[in-house]
Amino acid sequence: LAKTTQPISMDSYEGQEVNITCSHNNIATNDYITWYQQFPSQGPRFIIQGYKTKVTNEVASLFIPADRKSSTLSLPRVSLSDTAVYYCLVVAAGTYKYIFGTGTRLKVLA
Amino acid sequence: DVKVTQSSRYLVKRTGEKVFLECVQDMDHENMFWYRQDPGLGLRLIYFSYDVKMKEKGDIPEGYSVSREKKERFSLILESASTNQTSMYLCASSYPEGSYGYTFGSGTRLTVV
Repeated sequence: LAKTTQPISMDSYEGQEVNITCSHNNIATNDYITWYQQFPSQGPRFIIQGYKTKVTNEVASLFIPADRKSSTLSLPRVSLSDTAVYYCLVVAAGTYKYIFGTGTRLKVLA
Repeated sequence: DVKVTQSSRYLVKRTGEKVFLECVQDMDHENMFWYRQDPGLGLRLIYFSYDVKMKEKGDIPEGYSVSREKKERFSLILESASTNQTSMYLCASSYPEGSYGYTFGSGTRLTVV
């Protein structure tokens, strides 16, 4: 399983776009990238997943460059309720065992 | 809405007690998992199960065991609780390949005194 590295914490203001970058230099050909969000006293929640280029859903966008050695989670116009820990995971296709790192603690300020 | 339900939100137990943490999912998922989460250490996998009566050790299985007698239920057992097992315990479930992601429960905060 490829190791991931992401910032420990980030601060942002309401209404700003937030980009959290994750590096995964050892990603394998069949691996895909998944992001989770965790609020205090709750379990993590799936946000978005992708293999290459760009994926967008109603919550976020995920940008993956051609070499796939990094990925960026983009949260448009954050609000106070986006304050959470965000986890980047690299998952091998056909497996079901996820390894979570310590995540990025995002704090959105008024 | 799909759900993973953990039986207790908060639990306080004494050192040496046998503790059962229960998890039930209603999504007909094959895979179920138990993690613990501690400040600064993130989520660590204790045990997982990919079928009824099947189990595999995760990264930190010592001091724990599991039981999966029915597809929807996965129990974590602390054979003899110790203070270093005070933690947030999270249960999750997924389809076989995990490609649709995990669904987590809300967690059980266990304190061992």
